[in-house]
Amino acid sequence: NAGVTQTPKFQVLKTGQSMTLQCAQDMNHEYMSWYRQDPGMGLRLIHYSVGAGITDQGEVPNGYNVSRSTTEDFPLRLLSAAPSQTSVYFCASSYSNDGTWATYEQYFGPGTRLTVT
Amino acid sequence: SQQGEEDPQALSIQEGENATMNCSYKTSINNLQWYRQNSGRGLVHLILIRSNEREKHSGRLRVTLDTSKKSSSLLITASRAADTASYFCATDPGSGYSTLTFGKGTMLLVSP
Repeated sequence: NAGVTQTPKFQVLKTGQSMTLQCAQDMNHEYMSWYRQDPGMGLRLIHYSVGAGITDQGEVPNGYNVSRSTTEDFPLRLLSAAPSQTSVYFCASSYSNDGTWATYEQYFGPGTRLTVT
Repeated sequence: SQQGEEDPQALSIQEGENATMNCSYKTSINNLQWYRQNSGRGLVHLILIRSNEREKHSGRLRVTLDTSKKSSSLLITASRAADTASYFCATDPGSGYSTLTFGKGTMLLVSP
């Protein structure tokens, strides 16, 4: 299994440009999430999905859109890039093996380092 | 908002020594997890401890949880240079998926 894959690894955007960060997993996990990591801030949740067709906002959703048309893919769209969105973005997937909504171990992708100038 | 807070922010030790990192959190939890992040890489899950557990072991890792003090500790025994990484605690308040929140991490440096 490839696990969680993310593309691109690096990206430079100009302010106002839009782009899509790709995320895919081959573990048949229902749950997928997007985080951003800024120096000294840990990880903050942007958006998440509990299954195909279902998405919801996390802690810092402004300026980002997501959709989940398949179990495997969970792209993150930046609508109009701003310098404040310069960060490292991580996609993660997870499962629940007891039918509850508990959040179990997350499998992370390698990250996308985004710079907005 | 950050739920977990790791302490210390940075830790430097010699190979063979033990490393202890602490995590404090504010609200009740369903479980607490520890992750490792090597420089420039994604996070890797190390261990999960549920709220009704007090201690858990995995190889050279030992995690304790004190829900009365809202704190956890991660002990790495007989550290190796390869243990050099940032370590994060993450808490699940149990109020729905993806309320998992991460602390800011402890940077561990293990010198040969």
